Amino acid sequence: SQQGEEDPQALSIQEGENATMNCSYKTSINNLQWYRQNSGRGLVHLILIRSNEREKHSGRLRVTLDTSKKSSSLLITASRAADTASYFCATVPSGNTPLVFGKGTRLSVIA
Amino acid sequence: EAGVTQFPSHSVIEKGQTVTLRCDPISGHDNLYWYRRVMGKEIKFLLHFVKESKQDESGMPNNRFLAERTGGTYSTLKVQPAELEDSGVYFCASSQVWHNEQFFGPGTRLTVL
Repeated sequence: SQQGEEDPQALSIQEGENATMNCSYKTSINNLQWYRQNSGRGLVHLILIRSNEREKHSGRLRVTLDTSKKSSSLLITASRAADTASYFCATVPSGNTPLVFGKGTRLSVIA
Repeated sequence: EAGVTQFPSHSVIEKGQTVTLRCDPISGHDNLYWYRRVMGKEIKFLLHFVKESKQDESGMPNNRFLAERTGGTYSTLKVQPAELEDSGVYFCASSQVWHNEQFFGPGTRLTVL
């Protein structure tokens, strides 16, 4: 069954606004990662948060992790048109199991 | 430093034909992964190589799919014979450390008619 599930499926905002995407998962994890995919391109790793971490920042990105709720959020502040892409969360379940992706959130930032 | 490259970028074949996809990982990355995204669905893991050995092939859909990584450098994924449901985008990724950041290639879009 699907491990990571992003919410919302699609999000449209104005340039300069903040964008928040959520991810829920089902089993215990080693870490959780967020990736971005621009149309027709490969996935780009954005940030990794380990199961013993609660919050992490990287530039305009802020990721939180709540292992009790099995959920994570990705906040992009002061969004730009170039942030338009699909965003995926991917979990590394505990044990020697592979990365599991959700279906992604399609973010559109309108200039 | 060159990123992960995949060839071809697109492939259109007829049902029953054979297709071979190639992935060149980042130099020095022992870990190489194959994923597939069927339209409208999530990206799914296919298999994981550590050097030339298959570490995990639990995601391979059936025996029509054969992956190799001879010499521990580039990898190929062969689909023989291709079926309609094999259509999708096949991504390759590599990493230095297992379970950490993975570097993805641009993908190969496979269309089976």
